[in-house]
Amino acid sequence: ETGVTQTPRHLVMGMTNKKSLKCEQHLGHNAMYWYKQSAKKPLELMFVYNFKEQTENNSVPSRFSPECPNSSHLFLHLHTLQPEDSALYLCASSQDQGGEQYFGPGTRLTVT
Amino acid sequence: GDSVTQMEGPVTLSEEAFLTINCTYTATGYPSLFWYVQYPGEGLQLLLKATKADDKGSNKGFEATYRKETTSFHLEKGSVQVSDSAVYFCALSIRATGNQFYFGTGTSLTVIP
Repeated sequence: ETGVTQTPRHLVMGMTNKKSLKCEQHLGHNAMYWYKQSAKKPLELMFVYNFKEQTENNSVPSRFSPECPNSSHLFLHLHTLQPEDSALYLCASSQDQGGEQYFGPGTRLTVT
Repeated sequence: GDSVTQMEGPVTLSEEAFLTINCTYTATGYPSLFWYVQYPGEGLQLLLKATKADDKGSNKGFEATYRKETTSFHLEKGSVQVSDSAVYFCALSIRATGNQFYFGTGTSLTVIP
């Protein structure tokens, strides 16, 4: 596989469920990002990791919990979500923080 | 602070029409500038970039020139196709202020046959 991959591509979950989104990059990059994209809203940066260390958390609710075990993998753990959390969640990576970003295809999340 | 402003959409054009999507920026330091494209159901893809003033980025018939004097990076294409229908995002990268990356709000383009 090349580039940035995300699994699953689609996820439907109830408000009491716990699920995780996975992102993997095969580009040798050191920085990884989570974005939320909702209909008719700007792209929202959620978290940034640089060399496995979290460098940004843009006031994201604690029901979203990121994990970056190494520079190639990034997870977003979800629990007790709300319907307004339904969105496309995009993962991206860059060689270093601030560099041009390469995106995965996204996970379309629906919270029922 | 640093930011990117791009024209509101949606934009609807007939096939073979000329496209311009405006993008202006505010930045401290010397940013790199980017255009990304998002096709329906997909993630964002880098379309083109320019890293210094007067550079022209180009790809797939799209062009944008980094204009420092007008702080602009407008996206143009001479003849659009139906397959160009997508959302276009302008973005900038600033390395001088903590390595930040900023996206515009996106402009939706629909090309009709």
